[in-house]
Amino acid sequence: QVQLVQSGAEVKKPGASVKVSCRASGYSFIDYYIYWLRQAPGQGPEWMAWINPDSGDTHHAQKFQGRVSVTRDSSINTAEMEMSGLRSDDTAVYYCARGLVSAQFSGNADYFPYWGQGTPVIVSS
Amino acid sequence: DIQMTQSPSTLSASIGDRVTITCRASQSISRWLAWYQQKPGTAPKLLIYRASILENGVPSRFIGSGSGTEFTLTISSLQPDDFATYYCQQYSSYLMYSFGQGTRLELK
Repeated sequence: QVQLVQSGAEVKKPGASVKVSCRASGYSFIDYYIYWLRQAPGQGPEWMAWINPDSGDTHHAQKFQGRVSVTRDSSINTAEMEMSGLRSDDTAVYYCARGLVSAQFSGNADYFPYWGQGTPVIVSS
Repeated sequence: DIQMTQSPSTLSASIGDRVTITCRASQSISRWLAWYQQKPGTAPKLLIYRASILENGVPSRFIGSGSGTEFTLTISSLQPDDFATYYCQQYSSYLMYSFGQGTRLELK
């Protein structure tokens, strides 16, 4: 079965960077896009970026461009999201998710049947 | 960007009630809409996609409808397990995804 297992909780000071990993299993990692989302306390989820694990192509939501980097290591079936210049309003649970759109295709939007367990990131001085 | 607005923010209901949650998009998204259920401390769970198609394993009491800019999620007869927060998500473009702010369904 599809599983996405994320790294553990992080506590960071303002201005620092954080890296969250997402290890996939139960399917061919390079076959499906990986999406990164976050959810601040009491808010709805917010999409941040996606990566095509096959080609390495990425796309970010405008508000995260220049501050978020998403990468993958196909040899270990793992995607990573790194955010720099952390602020207190970046405190949230960060999720990776997988959809159903094949990585062989571009331009097709997706929904998210599969989610990681979430990684809490707390930004506090 | 496409904004998604849900109403109500909170809904109080009893076991067996029929309840409806509304989700409005700031521009037409055809039927590219999904609904999720989320319980505290867990990731969202997909219920419905393409506005009305039930995800495998989701009970048939969950009913999605709508197109264009207005969508609804109806639970035909509330069960104890249904008390949770519900989110809509638009996926009309692979370049930008957005969610509603959520509807918390609580026991009256």
